[in-house]
Amino acid sequence: GAVVSQHPSRVICKSGTSVKIECRSLDFQATTMFWYRQFPKKSLMLMATSNEGSKATYEQGVEKDKFLINHASLTLSTLTVTSAHPEDSSFYICSARVSGTGLSPLHFGNGTRLTVT
Amino acid sequence: DAKTTQPTSMDCAEGRAANLPCNHSTISGNEYVYWYRQIHSQGPQYIIHGLKNNETNEMASLIITEDRKSSTLILPHATLRDTAVYYCIVRLLTGTASKLTFGTGTRLQVTL
Repeated sequence: GAVVSQHPSRVICKSGTSVKIECRSLDFQATTMFWYRQFPKKSLMLMATSNEGSKATYEQGVEKDKFLINHASLTLSTLTVTSAHPEDSSFYICSARVSGTGLSPLHFGNGTRLTVT
Repeated sequence: DAKTTQPTSMDCAEGRAANLPCNHSTISGNEYVYWYRQIHSQGPQYIIHGLKNNETNEMASLIITEDRKSSTLILPHATLRDTAVYYCIVRLLTGTASKLTFGTGTRLQVTL
């Protein structure tokens, strides 16, 4: 089945530094990937839609200059949290759907737990 | 996408069937019902989806009422590993960029 791999699974960084999270579709191509954020005991909140070869589409209230998204190939999207602050500490999850199949389900990575100290 | 309503939590004894309800009274004719679950500290896992007919796969069954205003996810023989948050999502299909919006879900606790 379709597998989405996320790296790293956990990261701790100091306030003010930047962190890059990778999301790869291992056995399929994905023109679109989605980035979610989840705070403890809360549901997943969509942050942005990552489009291969073009700019990402951000949800209302998500700062595009703080959460940089790059989708340079059909199998890789990256999320960079710039100038991280403790309030950015969260569980970040990416997902992707096999290209050309709107009906097929989204496949999710196992998430990245970011802790900013 | 149509809003869904689910109970906050449910308990189920191991080996028994777990029936998780979902209300989606404002669903439109071209919106599908999807179910995902999230085990603690993992990414969501797809379970099943349907439009208006009942569906069954190796994980679960999905029963959709005739008026499509509600549905029930059935795990026929729940195990401890089925303890998770279950999300019912109604989604309009508009291509691969169609996004999923998660509600608060139902926290299912399977007990011995």
